[in-house]
Amino acid sequence: EIVMTQSPATLSVSPGERATLSCRASQSVSSNLAWYQQKPRQTPRLLIYGASTRATGIPARFNGSGSGTEFTLTISSLQSEDFAVYYCQHYNNWPLTFGGGTKVEIK
Amino acid sequence: EVQLLESGGGLVQPGGSLRLSCAASGFTFSSYAMSWVRQAPGKGLEWVSSISGRTVSTKYADSVKGRFTISRDNSKNTLYMQMNSLRAEDTAVYYCAKSRDAYNYDYWGQGTLVTVSS
Repeated sequence: EIVMTQSPATLSVSPGERATLSCRASQSVSSNLAWYQQKPRQTPRLLIYGASTRATGIPARFNGSGSGTEFTLTISSLQSEDFAVYYCQHYNNWPLTFGGGTKVEIK
Repeated sequence: EVQLLESGGGLVQPGGSLRLSCAASGFTFSSYAMSWVRQAPGKGLEWVSSISGRTVSTKYADSVKGRFTISRDNSKNTLYMQMNSLRAEDTAVYYCAKSRDAYNYDYWGQGTLVTVSS
């Protein structure tokens, strides 16, 4: 099983600042990596797939990068609606696994 | 508009069974793989099971293998999860999720809560 490790667990950021979230895979997942956003009491929302492709309707301030075992989600200028928990997920092979999440909170 | 509507959750005793359903609309159901993903209270996301579109290949997490069975009825646009021998650690919100491609998920249902407790 591929273990997905996200860091930091919590990120305190001021509105308008850049946020950088990391996701590391215990073995290569190529570019088969997705990022999701989940707000309290809401369902997850697909942000990025293929490590760097924004899903439909996702603002350009969300950018994904990386391949192999190291991935990054960058939110260039945090808006109030971006404070949420973010999860990475690999879909390179079975079983699929998610990271433990990074909570982005208001500083 | 894509819609996924789960049902069938509830309170069940350890060792009991439940059958979850997910009614899909707004897309060609048979063309897409579907999955169940769960989230225990206050915890992260956990993939549970997936089923392909037409070939009906199935995959399971080790934590549910042999106890849960995923299935689909493409004529009814409905996804199912038969859950047997339920344990306290199966307590979670169960989401039905549609694959965008491969097994990343572009649409999620609102979830149905399964509580396993005596």
